[in-house]
Amino acid sequence: KQEVTQIPAALSVPEGENLVLNCSFTDSAIYNLQWFRQDPGKGLTSLLLIQSSQREQTSGRLNASLDKSSGRSTLYIAASQPGDSATYLCAVRFTGGFKTIFGAGTRLFVKA
Amino acid sequence: GAVVSQHPSRVICKSGTSVKIECRSLDFQATTMFWYRQFPKQSLMLMATSNEGSKATYEQGVEKDKFLINHASLTLSTLTVTSAHPEDSSFYICSAKTQGQSYEQYFGPGTRLTVT
Repeated sequence: KQEVTQIPAALSVPEGENLVLNCSFTDSAIYNLQWFRQDPGKGLTSLLLIQSSQREQTSGRLNASLDKSSGRSTLYIAASQPGDSATYLCAVRFTGGFKTIFGAGTRLFVKA
Repeated sequence: GAVVSQHPSRVICKSGTSVKIECRSLDFQATTMFWYRQFPKQSLMLMATSNEGSKATYEQGVEKDKFLINHASLTLSTLTVTSAHPEDSSFYICSAKTQGQSYEQYFGPGTRLTVT
């Protein structure tokens, strides 16, 4: 069964700290993996997309890595800011049957 | 910036009726639109991907006859929930992207559907 798990479910860090969010998936046959953030009252924003042939993608203070063999992706946030507070979702598009599965998300709170 | 709107923001309908949700890209041409649903306190589920002028591609397990998607123009896609039932009550979100962009999707604010 194809599953996507995000750990931790919630995370609270002081401003300025570097942090890592984890996403694991059970089937290495993936097409791509994408990271989103969801802000209450503001909706969703796409952050980064990693194709299955790629190892990482970077956008500003964000860096996402992909290790298909171990079924893991990490989202690294450098120098966290209160504005980074949101729920971060990873979504894996599996090639078998072309199905996209979202993780339950990690709720991040960055304290000023 | 790229703006995507959804209408209505909230809708209540009776069981057995159909309801249409519109998704519009206001300041860009959306060659691809996505429809998602989100259950209370649960994560997102991608329902289908639609490309302008062609039939939507539905995800596994999504009933294409129940959730009719039309992407008739580069700025408008519609999702029609046919013969709605209480279990169809959910938060429906659309997103849009332009041709050539590798990942950037612009999301609408969502539509809360309640079927009584």
